[in-house]
Amino acid sequence: DIQLTQSPSFLSASVGDSVTITCRASQGIGRNLAWFQQKPGKAPKLLIYAASTLQIEVPSRFSGRGSGTEFILTISSLQPEDVATYYCQQLSGSPSTFGQGTKMEI
Amino acid sequence: EVQLVESGGGLVKPGGSLRLSCAASGFNFKNYNMNWVRQAPGRGLEWVSSITTISSHIYYADSVKGRFTISRDNAQNTLFLQMNSLRAEDTGVYYCARLWFGESGDAFDIWGQGTMVTVSS
Repeated sequence: DIQLTQSPSFLSASVGDSVTITCRASQGIGRNLAWFQQKPGKAPKLLIYAASTLQIEVPSRFSGRGSGTEFILTISSLQPEDVATYYCQQLSGSPSTFGQGTKMEI
Repeated sequence: EVQLVESGGGLVKPGGSLRLSCAASGFNFKNYNMNWVRQAPGRGLEWVSSITTISSHIYYADSVKGRFTISRDNAQNTLFLQMNSLRAEDTGVYYCARLWFGESGDAFDIWGQGTMVTVSS
């Protein structure tokens, strides 16, 4: 199975900051990577797919880049409502796998 | 509104069974591959199973293979997960999710609200 390792596991930042989360794959996955935001007690919400395509109605302060084995999620100008846990997911190999999550605190 | 609504969770003893359902609305269910994803309390997301549009291809995580069965009823717009021989480690929230083939890539774009499964004596 393809392993996804996110860093950091925990992130504390201030409103207005720009933050980055990295997701590293154990083998090349092209651009078959998605990013999700999950708030407590809620289902995951798709933010970005195909490494860099912003899902409809997701604020433009979210962006993604990368290919192969290294991917980055950037949140520019952090907002209070961005408090959540963020997950990456690969859809290149079977089974699909998720990173362990990055918990964001403001 | 595009929506997925899970049901069927609950408390079950180890070795017991449950059948989860996921009712789809607002989109043409029969055209989409579907998935189950679970999340143990305080833990991350784990893909469990997937099924293609006409049930021609079915896949399971090793952790549930031989115990869980995914199925769908396209006439009723419903996805199912039959869970047998349940273990404590199967405890968690179970989500159904739609696999969407976007222009630039695939994604689990629509998720249900989840249904809680607790396996405990």
